[in-house]
Amino acid sequence: DQQVKQNSPSLSVQEGRISILNCDYTNSMFDYFLWYKKYPAEGPTFLISISSIKDKNEDGRFTVFLNKSAKHLSLHIVPSQPGDSAVYFCAASDPRGTGNQFYFGTGTSLTVIP
Amino acid sequence: SQTIHQWPATLVQPVGSPLSLECTVEGTSNPNLYWYRQAAGRGLQLLFYSVGIGQISSEVPQNLSASRPQDRQFILSSKKLLLSDSGFYLCAWSRGGAGANQPQHFGDGTRLSIL
Repeated sequence: DQQVKQNSPSLSVQEGRISILNCDYTNSMFDYFLWYKKYPAEGPTFLISISSIKDKNEDGRFTVFLNKSAKHLSLHIVPSQPGDSAVYFCAASDPRGTGNQFYFGTGTSLTVIP
Repeated sequence: SQTIHQWPATLVQPVGSPLSLECTVEGTSNPNLYWYRQAAGRGLQLLFYSVGIGQISSEVPQNLSASRPQDRQFILSSKKLLLSDSGFYLCAWSRGGAGANQPQHFGDGTRLSIL
């Protein structure tokens, strides 16, 4: 049962434009969300997070938006750069769990075209 | 600063052989530790996590096991590998004792191929 879903396996964007990666979740108890970036043959790197008490968090070119009523979050990258080409995973945490566990989506492969 | 080491980077093993993957964390004490598997074209599946020495929680029943013999060491093992065990195995840590809402930090993974 996939509680976190990334329905777009891939996305291509021109350099300098905005990249929007989407993520949906089914568990209304999730209260903490993260985005990771992963290059081939490497582990995921933590990018940005958001708590359920917020609807937006910004860090440089990266902004995460959370819509709790729609159970949807998105990652905006502006402007997109070729080095942003990677697989992006969203993840969510249920506070009722132990050990700080996260549920991961299946990833979206972003290609930024120079 | 904290670092996580995972080895080997790649491994090719025959079906039925044993497995031992090791992960160590430096620069922090009593971390939460995790083993994930990423199968081809799929997301990250949590296999095991540990909140302390000797404390292992299993998320997926299978022929793999995990152990935490030391505070910052996490080992993934199997007595007999199956073809379906092929995949990319990732170790991760998060700050222990700090409650929830802490990001996990990943090692560079082990690419395991079963022949």
